[in-house]
Amino acid sequence: NAGVMQNPRHLVRRRGQEARLRCSPMKGHSHVYWYRQLPEEGLKFMVYLQKENIIDESGMPKERFSAEFPKEGPSILRIQQVVRGDSAAYFCASSPIGSYEQYFGPGTRLTVT
Amino acid sequence: ILNVEQSPQSLHVQEGDSTNFTCSFPSSNFYALHWYRWETAKSPEALFVMTLNGDEKKKGRISATLNTKEGYSYLYIKGSQPEDSATYLCALSPYNFNKFYFGSGTKLNVKP
Repeated sequence: NAGVMQNPRHLVRRRGQEARLRCSPMKGHSHVYWYRQLPEEGLKFMVYLQKENIIDESGMPKERFSAEFPKEGPSILRIQQVVRGDSAAYFCASSPIGSYEQYFGPGTRLTVT
Repeated sequence: ILNVEQSPQSLHVQEGDSTNFTCSFPSSNFYALHWYRWETAKSPEALFVMTLNGDEKKKGRISATLNTKEGYSYLYIKGSQPEDSATYLCALSPYNFNKFYFGSGTKLNVKP
């Protein structure tokens, strides 16, 4: 059973471009969580999704950020018009129904130049 | 926002030393406490999850205890080895099926 997959592992974008980060949860997992690690900070929750539903987006910046977890395919975290302050490591975690454990991917390091 | 604090921030020990770290959290908001081991450029790896006051978990040379009444957990490593070098994270989940609140981690460096 493959672990949580994230791609790309590294992403470089210029200011104003869009960034799309993908997360494929572990097989059988229907809950996905996105966390962000800014430089010199700990992991901070962004959004919690189940298939086709956003359950909790209390950690998402109000503008430019969106997330989805479609019925088919990976979860996508989308950042529009990136700014330098978006440079961070973005981690995805998944869990199966009925479990309070979360399994993490290796992260995507976004650099905005 | 729940404040989860870890100490120390970093630790340098010699091979063979035993060591321990602390995770503190608000005792009034608690469902489960998680410990992760995180090596650079890899996925955080789950070590333990604990839910009950007085819980003790062990995996090889690593063990953890939980005190929900006073709001802390200890992680112990007996006879540290260089391969134990990593950042150790604790995370609090205040409710089931919900977001984690992470501490900033303890970075352990074990010198051969």
